[in-house]
Amino acid sequence: ETGVTQTPRHLVMGMTNKKSLKCEQHLGHNAMYWYKQSAKKPLELMFVYNFKEQTENNSVPSRFSPECPNSSHLFLHLHTLQPEDSALYLCASSPWTSGKEGTDTQYFGPGTRLTVL
Amino acid sequence: GQNIDQPTEMTATEGAIVQINCTYQTSGFNGLFWYQQHAGEAPTFLSYNVLDGLEEKGRFSSFLSRSKGYSYLLLKELQMKDSASYLCAVRDSNYQLIWGAGTKLIIKP
Repeated sequence: ETGVTQTPRHLVMGMTNKKSLKCEQHLGHNAMYWYKQSAKKPLELMFVYNFKEQTENNSVPSRFSPECPNSSHLFLHLHTLQPEDSALYLCASSPWTSGKEGTDTQYFGPGTRLTVL
Repeated sequence: GQNIDQPTEMTATEGAIVQINCTYQTSGFNGLFWYQQHAGEAPTFLSYNVLDGLEEKGRFSSFLSRSKGYSYLLLKELQMKDSASYLCAVRDSNYQLIWGAGTKLIIKP
């Protein structure tokens, strides 16, 4: 399998459920990202991991809990979500840059379409 | 605040040329990206500009003017498969990507 994969592709959950989203990258990258994409809105960066260490947490509610056990895998644990959390959740990876080298192009997975009832 | 503006939706005819504009106001500038996203699919990288001028890649070209805070994506010889959303993103002084809301391009026969 190549590129960035995400499972499940679709998820429907109630507000009291606990579920997890999984992302795996096969590109040898060191950085991984979680984004939220809502209709007609810009991508919202949620979390960034570099070499398994979290480097960004953009004021995301605690009902979203990320986990990065290694540079190839990233999880997003969901608990007590709200209907407004319904969106497309995208995972991306990139070669980590000091910020001054290369294009640091991010490669995206196909996303998980989440619906919270 | 930081802001990326691009049209919400555009319509063009198969075989024609279309230009999608992107203007930005960011804290610093370290490159501009264009991505293509088909409905229900992953955004895919199209182009990267960091210096002023035009970068050409087959039917797609991207232009940047840093002094004007302006970029455009030019698509030539449009094909039906070009129907997608086109996302503009700017990397700011902290090397964070600031994203536009995307332009939905509709191609008609």
